[in-house]
Amino acid sequence: KAGVTQTPRYLIKTRGQQVTLSCSPISGHRSVSWYQQTPGQGLQFLFEYFSETQRNKGNFPGRFSGRQFSNSRSEMNVSTLELGDSALYLCASSNPGQGHTGTQYFGPGTRLLVL
Amino acid sequence: QKEVEQDPGPLSVPEGAIVSLNCTYSNSAFQYFMWYRQYSRKGPELLMYTYSSGNKEDGRFTAQVDKSSKYISLFIRDSQPSDSATYLCATGDQAGTALIFGKGTTLSVSS
Repeated sequence: KAGVTQTPRYLIKTRGQQVTLSCSPISGHRSVSWYQQTPGQGLQFLFEYFSETQRNKGNFPGRFSGRQFSNSRSEMNVSTLELGDSALYLCASSNPGQGHTGTQYFGPGTRLLVL
Repeated sequence: QKEVEQDPGPLSVPEGAIVSLNCTYSNSAFQYFMWYRQYSRKGPELLMYTYSSGNKEDGRFTAQVDKSSKYISLFIRDSQPSDSATYLCATGDQAGTALIFGKGTTLSVSS
């Protein structure tokens, strides 16, 4: 099975711009979670989508949003970028209810640099 | 108090050593415990997954969960230079959602 894929892998933006990141989960996985990883804060949960619905949300401002499509692919959007949004954005997929319930498999991440 | 505490290291050991990595957590509702390995500029890779208390072994890796003391451990036997990476513990109270991570321990195994 192919793993979780994320595009683009690298991105450079300037303050005030917006950005959209994409994630394709492992085939058959219906849950997609997004995390932000920075050297100072580590890995922090952004939100989780399951069957096109946001099921859980972390403590991030409303500038961070996401959505999930019927094929389970997900996108996250960050509007009005700030310097502090520079981070590695990771997507993880899982299939709650089967096999390793609760196990999340991560993609390689999108490294975002805000100048 | 942070929900998951993990010593960031760095931890340096010679090849062949036994490595012990540890985390503590604060919320007794957590039931799912995982260890991830992350190489530089890569996404985290799942190493071990444990539900509730007990031990789990997979090759050179052993994960232990002690819910009474809220303590989780990962042991690596016969460590190899390829084990050099950052190890992240993670936990959560519901299947498949909102994992809470430690900040990671950086391990270096020298040959």
